[in-house]
Amino acid sequence: EAQVTQNPRYLITVTGKKLTVTCSQNMNHEYMSWYRQDPGLGLRQIYYSMNVEVTDKGDVPEGYKVSRKEKRNFPLILESPSPNQTSLYFCASSLDRSLNTEAFFGQGTRLTVV
Amino acid sequence: DAKTTQPTSMDCAEGRAANLPCNHSTISGNEYVYWYRQIHSQGPQYIIHGLKNNETNEMASLIITEDRKSSTLILPHATLRDTAVYYCIVRRPTGNQFYFGTGTSLTVIP
Repeated sequence: EAQVTQNPRYLITVTGKKLTVTCSQNMNHEYMSWYRQDPGLGLRQIYYSMNVEVTDKGDVPEGYKVSRKEKRNFPLILESPSPNQTSLYFCASSLDRSLNTEAFFGQGTRLTVV
Repeated sequence: DAKTTQPTSMDCAEGRAANLPCNHSTISGNEYVYWYRQIHSQGPQYIIHGLKNNETNEMASLIITEDRKSSTLILPHATLRDTAVYYCIVRRPTGNQFYFGTGTSLTVIP
């Protein structure tokens, strides 16, 4: 089954403790991205990657890092989480950067930083 | 960058057609219109997309005006499970390709 898998689904952590949220897709997609969703603000893109070893900032990249060492995985790294990074996070992938292919989304990771 | 304008909320009676409008007056010639929906806090679900012709699939129909400045998503027979936030997106060719905005909250009423 084609899917985008995020882990963990829920995470509570403390300020400053490094964490990684994993994202994996099984569709051999080139394009992957991370979003955060906050009440009243919709989904905002954090980072995206057009292919292996190619990443770029989205609209709200501050406080986050990503890597794309292999095609299927696109982890989101918070080196020093802060309470303002408490949010619902989504990973997405699409076949390529073509405008005629839909994006598939993971089920989300709810992160709370205390 | 082409942005979209949608009503904040809408209601629809169960079994009736739900027509969700979207304005995208600054869309460029090669940009597609996509519709997604999000139920509660689940991952957004793809519904349909199109360039300039009307499109239909098992979930919905998409009507795009001839000048491409607006579109309408039609759920032909709305059910309670269609209650969700619906996002109209103009997919950009660069950068953040899917700019979601705040969408339309559709409530299907029994």
